[in-house]
Amino acid sequence: LAKTTQPISMDSYEGQEVNITCSHNNIATNDYITWYQQFPSQGPRFIIQGYKTKVTNEVASLFIPADRKSSTLSLPRVSLSDTAVYYCLVGDSHSGGYQKVTFGTGTKLQVIP
Amino acid sequence: DTGVSQDPRHKITKRGQNVTFRCDPISEHNRLYWYRQTLGQGPEFLTYFQNEAQLEKSRLLSDRFSAERPKGSFSTLEIQRTEQGDSAMYLCASSSGLAGVGDTQYFGPGTRLTVL
Repeated sequence: LAKTTQPISMDSYEGQEVNITCSHNNIATNDYITWYQQFPSQGPRFIIQGYKTKVTNEVASLFIPADRKSSTLSLPRVSLSDTAVYYCLVGDSHSGGYQKVTFGTGTKLQVIP
Repeated sequence: DTGVSQDPRHKITKRGQNVTFRCDPISEHNRLYWYRQTLGQGPEFLTYFQNEAQLEKSRLLSDRFSAERPKGSFSTLEIQRTEQGDSAMYLCASSSGLAGVGDTQYFGPGTRLTVL
């Protein structure tokens, strides 16, 4: 069962770029890396997913080195509304592609005015 | 809105009562998952359905818990004889199960259960 390690909390000022790094030393060959954002009393919201190198979408970038033992979520120019908990997950691939994912405690990002 | 929906959003019950939650996944998603989340923790996996078949259950899912997905569309999670320790957010997620891609799970808003 792949495990992830990420900082418990981070603070950032509005307008800054925020990078949250996650370690997943035991990631398996078929596992994808997925990041979710969660606001209080809401379900996790999918942010981005990748397998290797770099992935970018309209809200974030995900950097994955060649050994895939870590990944970095990059949020450009954060605003107060980005204050949330961010979870890094790697899937345990089962036959048929089902990925049983395990959430850690996440990184609580506080954006300061 | 074509996302995952859950009903009710909040449920307050007395200890010993039975409760049932409903989840409607994204249309045409054949995989459905239930999670439980307590304060300050990440979601914990409870169970997984592929269409109508319940293929995996966590040991967290005691015999007081039962989940169904009778027609491979919506799902229900029932908790019998509720205990105060069952108080949590119950989250449902669904995924498309498409081969060749990371099978992204999309979550609903959750049902907050409070057992008095």
